[in-house]
Amino acid sequence: EAGVAQSPRYKIIEKRQSVAFWCNPISGHATLYWYQQILGQGPKLLIQFQNNGVVDDSQLPKDRFSAERLKGVDSTLKIQPAKLEDSAVYLCASRGGTKPFTSSGNTIYFGEGSWLTVV
Amino acid sequence: AQSVTQLGSHVSVSEGALVLLRCNYSSSVPPYLFWYVQYPNQGLQLLLKYTTGATLVKGINGFEAEFKKSETSFHLTKPSAHMSDAAEYFCAVANAGGTSYGKLTFGQGTILTVHP
Repeated sequence: EAGVAQSPRYKIIEKRQSVAFWCNPISGHATLYWYQQILGQGPKLLIQFQNNGVVDDSQLPKDRFSAERLKGVDSTLKIQPAKLEDSAVYLCASRGGTKPFTSSGNTIYFGEGSWLTVV
Repeated sequence: AQSVTQLGSHVSVSEGALVLLRCNYSSSVPPYLFWYVQYPNQGLQLLLKYTTGATLVKGINGFEAEFKKSETSFHLTKPSAHMSDAAEYFCAVANAGGTSYGKLTFGQGTILTVHP
């Protein structure tokens, strides 16, 4: 089974420029997450999708960040304009079920992340 | 709101020694608890999770964790450290219901160093 795919893996941009990250979740997974991981900190949820609808975007800085999940499969996270403090790893994750976590299923799987450096 | 506190941002052990990484959580409803490992330049990999039932959970690579409701803890242990265990470890909590359902809240991470 293919894992969560993300691209690009690494990106360096200047402040005030824009950047977009792409995520392809595990096939059939209804729930998709974008997390931001700043160096030295744990991942923080930016946005959660259920199919193509937003479940939680309470911590997404909507003045500069946007995300979409067209057709309920792939997702794109965009930052415009970027700030220095946006330097982080952006992790995409997916989960198959909508029912409670169980001992044998509904695990959240993470991609390898997209590393952003804003200079 | 749920939260996770990992005691100790860095833990150093000798190869063959006991590994103990501490995690305490706060949740208003019965939690689901997770430990993830992150190797350099990689994403997060699930080590183990507690959902319901037995409070001692065994995971991959010889790790295990015990859910203690009275102490609101979910510490991660491994009897004998291996060099390949060197990585960053994250404890996470998810609610079984409510507005935070299906969402992981992570601790700040603990970097494990293993000395020969």
